[in-house]
Amino acid sequence: SQQGEEDPQALSIQEGENATMNCSYKTSINNLQWYRQNSGRGLVHLILIRSNEREKHSGRLRVTLDTSKKSSSLLITASRAADTASYFCATDPDTGKLIFGQGTTLQVKP
Amino acid sequence: DTEVTQTPKHLVMGMTNKKSLKCEQHMGHRAMYWYKQKAKKPPELMFVYSYEKLSINESVPSRFSPECPNSSLLNLHLHALQPEDSALYLCASSQDAGNNEQFFGPGTRLTVL
Repeated sequence: SQQGEEDPQALSIQEGENATMNCSYKTSINNLQWYRQNSGRGLVHLILIRSNEREKHSGRLRVTLDTSKKSSSLLITASRAADTASYFCATDPDTGKLIFGQGTTLQVKP
Repeated sequence: DTEVTQTPKHLVMGMTNKKSLKCEQHMGHRAMYWYKQKAKKPPELMFVYSYEKLSINESVPSRFSPECPNSSLLNLHLHALQPEDSALYLCASSQDAGNNEQFFGPGTRLTVL
């Protein structure tokens, strides 16, 4: 079964607005990753945050991790139409295993 | 070269056919993965190879048979598949099977008739 749950399942915003996606997980982790997937294509790694980190930035992306609540959030600032994609969090309950959340489908309208 | 390639892009096969999916990376990664993804669902891990040895099999039916001929190549042999096996099959690689970033290929869209 999938470890991660994400909300919202779908998000529609206007270009320039911020998008926030949340991920919750069940077991202890070493790190949490976020991936993006454009329709029907492979996944692209966005950012990795380790269990001893609370916040990480990469360009327009900001990720937070709260291990006490077993949750993470991904913030995309100043969104663009090209950010339209599905976003998945992924956790590692065991070495070599990456378990993906259900994903959030983001639509950014021009 | 930071790319994972997969062939073919699309595959249509009957339930009695035997076919293979291929995956290749030249990043020197020592871990390679197969995932299955159904429409509007997250990828599900099938197999993990670490240093060319199968390290994880997520209870995948034997009609799926993985093979790692060398550190750059990963195959998935398909035989007697069912229509419900139709999905996007994704290959990925990482530096090792520790908790590292995975690089994904574009996938093979498989349809079983």
